[in-house]
Amino acid sequence: GDSVTQTEGLVTLTKGLPVMLNCTYQTTYSPFLFWYVQHLNEAPKLLLKSSTDNKRTEHQGFYATLHKSSSSFHLQKSSVQLSDSALYFCALLSSGSWQLIFGSGTQLTVMP
Amino acid sequence: EAAVTQSPRNKVTVTGGNVTLSCRQTNSHNYMYWYRQDTGHGLRLIHYSYGAGNLQIGDVPDGYKATRTTQEDFFLLLELASPSQTSLYFCASSDRDNANTGQLYFGEGSKLTVL
Repeated sequence: GDSVTQTEGLVTLTKGLPVMLNCTYQTTYSPFLFWYVQHLNEAPKLLLKSSTDNKRTEHQGFYATLHKSSSSFHLQKSSVQLSDSALYFCALLSSGSWQLIFGSGTQLTVMP
Repeated sequence: EAAVTQSPRNKVTVTGGNVTLSCRQTNSHNYMYWYRQDTGHGLRLIHYSYGAGNLQIGDVPDGYKATRTTQEDFFLLLELASPSQTSLYFCASSDRDNANTGQLYFGEGSKLTVL
């Protein structure tokens, strides 16, 4: 069945450093990938969504590229800020089921 | 911005208790969902609905019932609550087009504790 894997449960970085949060997926259908962000005591919100294969998408300083060859959609930012501390979910919308499947999430903590 | 409201925000009950979580969306969305969030498991889909009177089973439906009474209202029912159902529950909605693009609008969450 369809699945999403986020390998890092916790990532701690100092402000100003780059970050990459890993996301890989499995599906036999055409994949649509998303990143959701959830700040403490808030609801998850859509951060960005995939475009065509090998095309980068960007939003609020974050960017990600769908690579079908490696089944990946890693989230990156060149310089993290304190306000980026949050829980990040990768999600797969399978064209077979048209339901979102979420990864287990990565907690990003940015230190001063 | 889509508005999804959940109640209660916090609920404590005992094993075997009866709990109803309510969700209302005011954006005329067709699709509504109930997820539970647990550390290490992310968000898991319990039930969802395409419209009033419709109900679909999600990935972790055991122990849960749901009912969509109107386009706006979606309820999650736990008739015999168990400690394993202690969790943070999120309701979400999306319109017909956004359901195909993954744009979900989440409520603020309902924290349920089963003692």
